[in-house]
Amino acid sequence: AQTVTQSQPEMSVQEAETVTLSCTYDTSENNYYLFWYKQPPSRQMILVIRQEAYKQQNATENRFSVNFQKAAKSFSLKISDSQLGDTAMYFCAFMNVRGGSEKLVFGKGTKLTVNP
Amino acid sequence: EAGVAQSPRYKIIEKRQSVAFWCNPISGHATLYWYQQILGQGPKLLIQFQNNGVVDDSQLPKDRFSAERLKGVDSTLKIQPAKLEDSAVYLCASSPWTGKIKNEQFFGPGTRLTVL
Repeated sequence: AQTVTQSQPEMSVQEAETVTLSCTYDTSENNYYLFWYKQPPSRQMILVIRQEAYKQQNATENRFSVNFQKAAKSFSLKISDSQLGDTAMYFCAFMNVRGGSEKLVFGKGTKLTVNP
Repeated sequence: EAGVAQSPRYKIIEKRQSVAFWCNPISGHATLYWYQQILGQGPKLLIQFQNNGVVDDSQLPKDRFSAERLKGVDSTLKIQPAKLEDSAVYLCASSPWTGKIKNEQFFGPGTRLTVL
């Protein structure tokens, strides 16, 4: 069974600075998807960024980028130029490619606070 | 485009009572998911529907939980009878189905259930 571990329960960063959230996962599969989801306080979860395991190039979405290390099974999220609106829970998630199930396996999350 | 709708937003019940949650996915989305998010944890998939058929219900406690998606559109998740450990946020998500491509899941605001 796949597992996702986020070792940082809480983090804080000053506005405009850069922060990196860590995520490791365990799987015997070779092809899969990895995601970072953001869950703002009292608001719904939204997708931040997605990485396909067969692509070596790290995904980027504006201020958000990932460092995908397949051999190390590591998938960290870097947020540049942090903004107050980035304050949220961040969840790392894994999805197996094989089979019909599109189950997302989530980590426990990292609570990020951006301070003014 | 309207998002995933869920109701009610909050529900408080006594243990051993029954409760039902409703979800209306984004129009045209063939795949619908129910996740359970216990406080301090990431969401866990309970059941995935493809149109009105079940794709994955391996983590659904079938002795007390049931779900249906009649006509392949909206869905209902029921708990009967509820236990204290069922206190959680129940998230509904939907995604379009485009064959082999693993698509983004769009989440609703969730229903927060408290079992006393």
